[in-house]
Amino acid sequence: AQSVTQLGSHVSVSEGALVLLRCNYSSSVPPYLFWYVQYPNQGLQLLLKYTSAATLVKGINGFEAEFKKSETSFHLTKPSAHMSDAAEYFCAVRPPGNQFYFGTGTSLTVIP
Amino acid sequence: ETGVTQSPTHLIKTRGQQVTLRCSSQSGHNTVSWYQQALGQGPQFIFQYYREEENGRGNFPPRFSGLQFPNYSSELNVNALELDDSALYLCASSLVRDTLTDTQYFGPGTRLTVL
Repeated sequence: AQSVTQLGSHVSVSEGALVLLRCNYSSSVPPYLFWYVQYPNQGLQLLLKYTSAATLVKGINGFEAEFKKSETSFHLTKPSAHMSDAAEYFCAVRPPGNQFYFGTGTSLTVIP
Repeated sequence: ETGVTQSPTHLIKTRGQQVTLRCSSQSGHNTVSWYQQALGQGPQFIFQYYREEENGRGNFPPRFSGLQFPNYSSELNVNALELDDSALYLCASSLVRDTLTDTQYFGPGTRLTVL
């Protein structure tokens, strides 16, 4: 069975601080992994994706994520939070096949 | 280049009714996927259409059905609405059949409320 667990439904950071959003997955085969961001009243926007190339993936808006097979993790980070980063973030896994499995999301608040 | 659009934006229905949601894919995209996002949850895959044929389905009952048209726009139909069908319904389009290698572009969603 495939699943995605996002630890922490709400994360608050100060502006300029490190952002760390956690994602762990379970998959019977090596999956492909994604991070999406959702701003209020908008659809999901792809931040980055891991497709079995480099384990450190760089995305848009300064975000990056590292695939760690031994830990079955794909945590999202950004060195310095900006007010515009406040949004809902979703981790998703896609085992071979066409179906995506999304986590329940982490709401990021940036404190000025 | 126009993005993915969905209509209507909001919809209120009562239990037992039927609803049709619409999605216009991004220009040139031939694949569309539908997702249900309940409040406080992540999107759940309903089904995908590629060149007018269903190409994968999630764990949703048959009263959830869909269509894709020759211009690659799509409809999601839900019959015999239940209260638990209240959710944000998202449509995503992509260019190739294997959405792994191509980015899915999401629309803003349709908020369905079932009373």
